[in-house]
Formats: sequence, structure tokens, C-alpha cells
Amino acid sequence: SQKIEQNSEALNIQEGKTATLTCNYTNYSPAYLQWYRQDPGRGPVFLLLIRENEKEKRKERLKVTFDTTLKQSLFHITASQPADSATYLCALESAANQGGKLIFGQGTELSVKP
Amino acid sequence: DAGITQSPRHKVTETGTPVTLRCHQTENHRYMYWYRQDPGHGLRLIHYSYGVKDTDKGEVSDGYSVSRSKTEDFLLTLESATSSQTSVYFCAISGGTGPGEQYFGPGTRLTVT
Repeated sequence: SQKIEQNSEALNIQEGKTATLTCNYTNYSPAYLQWYRQDPGRGPVFLLLIRENEKEKRKERLKVTFDTTLKQSLFHITASQPADSATYLCALESAANQGGKLIFGQGTELSVKP
Repeated sequence: DAGITQSPRHKVTETGTPVTLRCHQTENHRYMYWYRQDPGHGLRLIHYSYGVKDTDKGEVSDGYSVSRSKTEDFLLTLESATSSQTSVYFCAISGGTGPGEQYFGPGTRLTVT
């Protein structure tokens, strides 16, 4: 069956370190993969999109990699800050199921301590 | 923030009553989506729309219907609410030249007693 998996355990890191979050998937051939941030009581906010033919994408302190062989995406936040504390969601759209129908992982909670 | 509003923001209703949630956008985006978010399940797509009067089912569409008579409004109806439909409901939009990234509304917390 199709699955998207993110670390269910919260990630706790010290301010200034790099946070790395993992998104693994099985039985998909994604056209692209997206990362979102969600704060408590609010809707998800789009961060980055990476296409199947791209290896890496950057935006300010954020970096996403996409390995279609390993079926994995890594999301990095460099020089992390307490304000980066939130839940991060990955989502993908299968190449066989276009039309914007995203499948979301359950999210990983990140806590950055001062 | 993208111009998306949801109403109501909170609602408590009784089992068996009909409920309609409204999503309104001011971005003129083509695609609109309804999700529900539950602990242990993450975000799951209920229905989506790819244009006025054009809708399709998502992963968890049973017990829900939708309508889109105008570009800016996408309605989600629970014909006869059940306790299993207690959840937080999010509307999202996307547009431009294709689907791509989605922009979410603030959510509606629905409790069915």
C-alpha cells in the first residue's frame, strides 16, 4: 500500500544547530514533493516544493533534498532558532494522480531550545 | 497571508444534524480543497474542486458532499453529522498555471456530540 512516513517522535535541538527532518514514501512515483510548516491552532503554511527531476532546493536557511531512488526527502533548517519550533509536514502528489491531490505525512514536531 | 477565510471557525452540533462549512477566497484561484486533520492521521483530503461546478472525491469523502457555484466559494456539507466527523477542517487553494503549492485557511473546529 502507499505510505508516507515522517519521524513521529519530536525532534529537540539546540539553537544554532541544523535540524534535519526525514520524509520517506513507498509505492508512489511523485511528480513533486512539498514541505509545510504548521503552528498549533493554525493552518499549514507552504515552505518549499521540489520536483522529481531536482536533487536539491534552497530558500534562505531552508534546504530540501529529494532522492527518488531512496524514496526519501530530507528537510534541513540551518542555524535553527526557537521561532522555528513547529510541526513540519511533507506532502507529495503522485505522478499518476495529478490535479493537486496531495498526500500528507503525519508531521514531525520540531522544538528548538535557546 | 493568502485571502482565504473559513466560516464558522468553531461549531458544536448534535449527531444527525446537517452542517455546512464555507470556504471563501479572494485570490481567484482555480483549485480548492477540503481536508480534515485528526491526531494520528494527519491531513486527509475529503473533496476538491478544479473549477466552478467541477469537483471530485478525495481519500475520505464518505458522508461529505461539496458544491462550488462560484470561483470564490467552496462549501462542504455533512448531510447528517456523526461523532466520527468531529475534527478540524481546513480549506486550501492553489492556482496559477497549475496546482502546485497550496495555501490554507485558518481551519474550522467541528465537534459533533
